[in-house]
Amino acid sequence: DGGITQSPKYLFRKEGQNVTLSCEQNLNHDAMYWYRQDPGQGLRLIYYSQIVNDFQKGDIAEGYSVSREKKESFPLTVTSAQKNPTAFYLCASSRQGSRADTQYFGPGTRLTVL
Amino acid sequence: KNEVEQSPQNLTAQEGEFITINCSYSVGISALHWLQQHPGGGIVSLFMLSSGKKKHGRLIATINIQEKHSSLHITASHPRDSAVYICAVGSGGGADGLTFGKGTHLIIQP
Repeated sequence: DGGITQSPKYLFRKEGQNVTLSCEQNLNHDAMYWYRQDPGQGLRLIYYSQIVNDFQKGDIAEGYSVSREKKESFPLTVTSAQKNPTAFYLCASSRQGSRADTQYFGPGTRLTVL
Repeated sequence: KNEVEQSPQNLTAQEGEFITINCSYSVGISALHWLQQHPGGGIVSLFMLSSGKKKHGRLIATINIQEKHSSLHITASHPRDSAVYICAVGSGGGADGLTFGKGTHLIIQP
């Protein structure tokens, strides 16, 4: 079955530790995205990538880093520089990265920093 | 930057009722998306609109480009329709993601 997987579903970390969230897709999509969702707020774009080995900052990139070494994978690292890392993180992909493309979302990872 | 407003924020209705959720945006767009988020957090894309109207089962989405407004309608609502419905817009032809509304939390009671 084609789709997007994110792991783990729940993640707990101590303050000051870096943590990497996994996102894998087997839809053969060129574009991939990372969003953050906080209670009472709309999703906000962290980073996006239109093609392998290229990525761009979104609206709230500070304290995060990404890589896109393979088409299928777009891991997100939440660094210790991110002041409020506790949130729900969603990965998405689309065929070509146009804003008119349908975006397919993963199930999300809920990160809690203690 | 586009501002996306959804109304109502919360809606509770009885099974069978006709539901309308509204979305307004401030800047001209290339596409508007309606998404459904289930209680577990997973998000499913329902519609992508650039003009007119689309229908899928009991769901209907309309958009008025001149008024910068879209509506999502649910006919013969059912408890399984309970979810958060999110409107998102994209402007221009680039790929730097979408601008999302805060969502409408819908509860359909049996």
